[in-house]
Amino acid sequence: AQTVTQSQPEMSVQEAETVTLSCTYDTSESDYYLFWYKQPPSRQMILVIRQEAYKQQNATENRFSVNFQKAAKSFSLKISDSQLGDAAMYFCAYRTNDMRFGAGTRLTVKP
Amino acid sequence: DAGVIQSPRHEVTEMGQEVTLRCKPISGHDYLFWYRQTMMRGLELLIYFNNNVPIDDSGMPEDRFSAKMPNASFSTLKIQPSEPRDSAVYFCASSRGLTNTGELFFGEGSRLTVL
Repeated sequence: AQTVTQSQPEMSVQEAETVTLSCTYDTSESDYYLFWYKQPPSRQMILVIRQEAYKQQNATENRFSVNFQKAAKSFSLKISDSQLGDAAMYFCAYRTNDMRFGAGTRLTVKP
Repeated sequence: DAGVIQSPRHEVTEMGQEVTLRCKPISGHDYLFWYRQTMMRGLELLIYFNNNVPIDDSGMPEDRFSAKMPNASFSTLKIQPSEPRDSAVYFCASSRGLTNTGELFFGEGSRLTVL
């Protein structure tokens, strides 16, 4: 079974600084999707960024970018110029047909 | 377009009672997922449907849980009888097929408290 591991239960960053959240996954598939979702206290699940496994280029969405290392099965999220509104739980997810989530990383942004 | 709609948003019930959670997926989406979120176990996939057919229900905790999707615009998750350990937030999510973006769109969740 596919598993997703987020080894950082909590992370903290100073406002305007950069932070990187780690994610590794285990799979025997060659074609899949990877995602980062954000869950603020409102509990709404919000897509942050998406990466198709067949694409070598790392995805970027404004201040959010990923470092996708397919051979290492690693998919980290970098948040640049952190803002107070970035404070939330961040979940890494892997999808073939179903979607599996990591345990999450709680990000705190200090003013 | 309306997003995924779940009801109720909050439910408080007593042990032994039947609970029914409802979900309306986004029109045109052919995958529907039910997840359970707790502090201890995180986001667990309970069951998912493709074109209204259950594909994998291996995450359903036990026979007290059942899920149906009678048509493309409606699904239910039923717990009978409910137990305190079923207290959690239950999310419904839908998506198009994997030839599209693969993204899941989530409802706002149903918070269930079983006393």
